[in-house]
Amino acid sequence: KNEVEQSPQNLTAQEGEFITINCSYSVGISALHWLQQHPGGGIVSLFMLSSGKKKHGRLIATINIQEKHSSLHITASHPRDSAVYICAVTPNRDDKIIFGKGTRLHILP
Amino acid sequence: DTGVSQDPRHKITKRGQNVTFRCDPISEHNRLYWYRQTLGQGPEFLTYFQNEAQLEKSRLLSDRFSAERPKGSFSTLEIQRTEQGDSAMYLCASTLNRGNTGELFFGEGSRLTVL
Repeated sequence: KNEVEQSPQNLTAQEGEFITINCSYSVGISALHWLQQHPGGGIVSLFMLSSGKKKHGRLIATINIQEKHSSLHITASHPRDSAVYICAVTPNRDDKIIFGKGTRLHILP
Repeated sequence: DTGVSQDPRHKITKRGQNVTFRCDPISEHNRLYWYRQTLGQGPEFLTYFQNEAQLEKSRLLSDRFSAERPKGSFSTLEIQRTEQGDSAMYLCASTLNRGNTGELFFGEGSRLTVL
């Protein structure tokens, strides 16, 4: 079992829909990262959080440390949001960052 | 500073050849990571550095892989005697770590194709 699990693996939705991507992890962490990867490779950091909730534009990230779970929400989704969204954690022991396998999101116009 | 840069962006080589990738992190970042990603998979850890010290190397890596960060700035990842299974995107990321992990910044990656 991977230390970082994401669901769903693939998600197709219509433009305008509210999107939720989930991340569960099994280790104690000091931080959780949500990343976005567009076709062609480049990875961009969306959020880094260790508690509570963060919002940036139409993106919202939440984390529940006790339940070892985080969610990434996209409101009013748009085709340009189509990408792979990756959850990654920094363990408490300040070790290497562990990545999930990603969620491939496709927003239809 | 324009961010993390990687070179080359693409490399096609024949099996058995050696290849070297370079990563230039954001200048003040003390931590540098190398990851490998194949199609449809999340990034897989290879190794990471705190300044010039290599702190960990993945057990998945064979002795054909070596990485250095000689002055705590840029890093190189060398693959000797390449095999077709080495074909992947090699990603570099850096962060400023002062007891707590900072935000991650990634390069565009170096795509390796071994024929």
